[in-house]
This record gives sequence, C-alpha cells and structure tokens, in this order.
Amino acid sequence: EPEVTQTPSHQVTQMGQEVILRCVPISNHLYFYWYRQILGQKVEFLVSFYNNEISEKSEIFDDQFSVERPDGSNFTLKIRSTKLEDSAMYFCASSWGLALNEQFFGPGTRLTVL
Amino acid sequence: AQTVTQSQPEMSVQEAETVTLSCTYDTSENNYYLFWYKQPPSRQMILVIRQEAYKQQNATENRFSVNFQKAAKSFSLKISDSQLGDTAMYFCASNSGGSNYKLTFGKGTLLTVNP
Repeated sequence: EPEVTQTPSHQVTQMGQEVILRCVPISNHLYFYWYRQILGQKVEFLVSFYNNEISEKSEIFDDQFSVERPDGSNFTLKIRSTKLEDSAMYFCASSWGLALNEQFFGPGTRLTVL
Repeated sequence: AQTVTQSQPEMSVQEAETVTLSCTYDTSENNYYLFWYKQPPSRQMILVIRQEAYKQQNATENRFSVNFQKAAKSFSLKISDSQLGDTAMYFCASNSGGSNYKLTFGKGTLLTVNP
C-alpha cells in the first residue's frame, strides 16, 4: 500500500543551523502539507503546497521556513536558522484532492534544536 | 478561524468494552468536514473515520462510529469492542473551504485499552 515517507526520523541540530526535512508523498497526490507538533501540544498546520507553489501558510511559517518540490517526488521543508522553539515533530501529509479526501501522513521527523 | 477542542486528555477502557471520545468544534463555515485520526506509538497518523457536515447520517466504519450533533457542534467517536491495538492518541480534526482544506486539530485524547 502506498505511503508517505519522511527522512530523517530524528534530526539533532545546533541553534542557528539550517535543516532540511524530506518527505516523499504518495505518487499520484496533488496536495502537500507540513504540520508540526510541539511535545504535549496539538498538531498545527504550517503550510500547504499545490501546483508548485504555496497555497496557504500559517503565521508560524515565517521567513525562516521554505518549502520546495525539487524533482517531482520529494517535498522538502527547510528551516534556515533554527531556534530552540523549532524543536518539534514535523509531519508531512499529502492528498489526492480536497475536502473529504483523506490526508495521508508520514511518520514524522523529530527535530531537536540544542 | 476554526477551533477543535478535546476535553479528555486521557481515557482508559477494558478490552471488549465500549468507549466514547468527545470532541467539540467551532466554525463559521457552512461546508466543512470532520475527521478522527489515530496516532499509535509508532507515530504514523491514520484516518479512522470522516464525516461531511451536510450529511445528517452518522458515519460508521466497522467498530468505529461517530455521534455528529451539528447544532451542538459536537463530534464524538465511539469505539465498540475495544481491542488492545486501539491503544493510541486520537485526534479530532476539521477542515473547511478555502484553497487547500488544511486540517485543524484538537489536542488529542490518549486512549489506553487494558487487557
């Protein structure tokens, strides 16, 4: 059964460093999302991506964040200069369509910023 | 803006018993969709069940069913014949119109099924 994959499963980085989180969505999906979950808190929307551009972003998704679909299969989230408060689980999701269509989630990347 | 509230941080149930997880939401949209996602210890979130707000009939998926009360903005999940594998974090979520139907999640309920 097709699934969303994410690498790495755990990333440890120093404050101020750049990190790139990678996702491979399900191949025929058209809509892509990043969410994050700070430990003990709710899952929060970061950004959605469709047709090679951002369709919506939350207030969390500031200039330090960027997303890219460089080769038609990978979907990456880059944090330019990490802060302590960026420590969280980052989930990638994809869906074929909107509305009632299921968003399929990856297993997440745990980012720890020291 | 949408909000989703889950007021039960943790619940437990005996194997084979029935348990109900609560969820309330708030939205100004007329057309929206509601979901329950399960996140087992492996951390991959899996869709359990979904409901279209304009459908009055409650959704069911095998042992899982919802009680959707639109006027009260309530969307509870009932798990019948609970199994050990149902132990997980359960998230209630909603989406609505707009360009991308992003999901808004509640804080989750940790359900433990005891043998």
